[in-house]
Amino acid sequence: SQQGEEDPQALSIQEGENATMNCSYKTSINNLQWYRQNSGRGLVHLILIRSNEREKHSGRLRVTLDTSKKSSSLLITASRAADTASYFCATDAKAAGNKLTFGGGTRVLVKP
Amino acid sequence: EAGVAQSPRYKIIEKRQSVAFWCNPISGHATLYWYQQILGQGPKLLIQFQNNGVVDDSQLPKDRFSAERLKGVDSTLKIQPAKLEDSAVYLCASSRGLAVNEQFFGPGTRLTVL
Repeated sequence: SQQGEEDPQALSIQEGENATMNCSYKTSINNLQWYRQNSGRGLVHLILIRSNEREKHSGRLRVTLDTSKKSSSLLITASRAADTASYFCATDAKAAGNKLTFGGGTRVLVKP
Repeated sequence: EAGVAQSPRYKIIEKRQSVAFWCNPISGHATLYWYQQILGQGPKLLIQFQNNGVVDDSQLPKDRFSAERLKGVDSTLKIQPAKLEDSAVYLCASSRGLAVNEQFFGPGTRLTVL
């Protein structure tokens, strides 16, 4: 079973709008990462947030982590057509043998 | 810095045939991963190597899948015999060390089993 589950499964927005997606997980984690996957290409690492961190920023990306709710959110501000991709959260947890476990992803479409 | 290389990019085979995928990780990366990504799902770890030793192969269907990393650099993943449900993208990734951190992914091999 997957550790992380993203919500929504799909998201369609206009260029310039913000996009927010959420990830929920089941067991205590060490770290949580977000990856992006463009159509037909491999995954690209976006950001890693550790279990003792609550918020991180990277360019137009903002990630929050709430360990009490076992959830994380990824916010993309001022979206661009090039942000069209699938976004995956991935967790590593001692209960899962410390390997990286991916969620099912959120498919984001940014319309020009 | 060259990225993770994989070949072939696409492969179509019939069920019960054999297939092999190749991966060349980023130079200096000790840890190599093979993932299976079924359409519409996230990647699932099949096997993890640290240099040429297996760290985790708990989700590898060992009756038909095998993988090796003989010299601690390149790796091959083999399926023999293939089943229809093996249709997926096979992703190779590498990272610097054993601790979970940023993984660098190759473009993947899209396998279609007919």
